[in-house]
Amino acid sequence: AQSVTQLGSHVSVSEGALVLLRCNYSSSVPPYLFWYVQYPNQGLQLLLKYTSAATLVKGINGFEAEFKKSETSFHLTKPSAHMSDAAEYFCAVLSSGNTPLVFGKGTRLSVIA
Amino acid sequence: DVKVTQSSRYLVKRTGEKVFLECVQDMDHENMFWYRQDPGLGLRLIYFSYDVKMKEKGDIPEGYSVSREKKERFSLILESASTNQTSMYLCASSLFQGGQPQHFGDGTRLSIL
Repeated sequence: AQSVTQLGSHVSVSEGALVLLRCNYSSSVPPYLFWYVQYPNQGLQLLLKYTSAATLVKGINGFEAEFKKSETSFHLTKPSAHMSDAAEYFCAVLSSGNTPLVFGKGTRLSVIA
Repeated sequence: DVKVTQSSRYLVKRTGEKVFLECVQDMDHENMFWYRQDPGLGLRLIYFSYDVKMKEKGDIPEGYSVSREKKERFSLILESASTNQTSMYLCASSLFQGGQPQHFGDGTRLSIL
């Protein structure tokens, strides 16, 4: 069965600091991986997706994620945090076929001025 | 851009009422999904559908039913609303092909009094 673990339910960084949100997955086959962002009182918005074309994936708003098969990880990074990055972030995995995404429990990012 | 529209952003109902949550997508997606989101629990899948008149149970279907009479519309029904169904409800859609991301509506915040 697929699963996703997001380490840290809440991460706090200073404005301008590096953002690192961790995601580990389990899958019996090469996965498709996704990061979503949710701003308060809104739905989820796709940040980026990994579909095996390249291990480093660039997304919107300056975020990127690196697929590391040996570590079964897909961590999300941004070099310099902005106040507008404060939101909840979800990692999701899809192993194969036409099945629903499996989501992690989310990490709430706070950015301190 | 894909547009997933949920009929209400906020809804207040009473215990025992039959509640309908509506979701419409405009991109001819085959798959549609209903989730509920609660603090600390992340997103939990209630029901999903791969085609008109088809439905599959997710992780927490108890107390809910769904209807998909047209491809673009997926309705979630609370047969007899209870206070423990107070939550944020999110609808999503995706293409049938494997590896496709899900696109979300803005959510309905439902309160059962």
